[in-house]
Amino acid sequence: SAVISQKPSRDICQRGTSLTIQCQVDSQVTMMFWYRQQPGQSLTLIATANQGSEATYESGFVIDKFPISRPNLTFSTLTVSNMSPEDSSIYLCSVPGGTSGRGETQYFGPGTRLLVL
Amino acid sequence: DAKTTQPPSMDCAEGRAANLPCNHSTISGNEYVYWYRQIHSQGPQYIIHGLKNNETNEMASLIITEDRKSSTLILPHATLRDTAVYYCIVRVLSNQGGKLIFGQGTELSVKP
Repeated sequence: SAVISQKPSRDICQRGTSLTIQCQVDSQVTMMFWYRQQPGQSLTLIATANQGSEATYESGFVIDKFPISRPNLTFSTLTVSNMSPEDSSIYLCSVPGGTSGRGETQYFGPGTRLLVL
Repeated sequence: DAKTTQPPSMDCAEGRAANLPCNHSTISGNEYVYWYRQIHSQGPQYIIHGLKNNETNEMASLIITEDRKSSTLILPHATLRDTAVYYCIVRVLSNQGGKLIFGQGTELSVKP
C-alpha cells in the first residue's frame, strides 16, 4: 500500500488569495489524482497529474483556477487560485495501487480542509 | 464509466451483517465493480472489487448478480467503526491507473 501525506491538513484563507496544497507519496507513481469534496457532497475529480506532462482537467475545472505541478514521481501540488467561499472544500490526492500495474486500487491522502472567508 | 444507484442511508445493528446494495444496470463487460468507504474526516478507503465472481477479503464480501446489473457489499459482523459512507463504483482497469467517479454513496450507521 502507499502512504500519502498532505500539507496543510487544514487552513482558513481570505477570499482573493491562493493556497498551494502539497501531496507526498512514499513510493514512485506515474499518475496522481486530485479530488474535491464540497461540504456534504461526494468526491469530484479535478484533474489527473502525470509526471512530465500537463495535467488533464475534468469538465468544469480549468488550469488557471487549479494549477497543478508534478515535479517528480513522489510529489505533486494543487493550487487553489483567487479563492472564493465556494472553494471551501476538502481537497484530496490519490494514487493508483495494486500489484498488476493497472491500478486495481487507489490510495487516498487524508485531505486538506479549506475554509475561505 | 457507468453510473451506479445506491440507497442514501441505511442502519445496521452492531454485530449483525450489513448488506449494502448497488445497482449498475448499464455496466459494460469490461467494467469492474468497486467498493470504497469514507469514514468521517478521512480519505476514502478501498474495500473490495470484482468483475463477475463473488469476492471475499478480510474486510467484506462482494456478491455480484449473474447479469452483473447489481451487487451487494456484505460486512459480516458490523462494528461501530464501520459507520461510514460506502461508495459503489464501476470502472475499467487500464494501464493508466484509471480515475474513480464517485456517486453519492450510502451512509451506513451502525448502532449499538
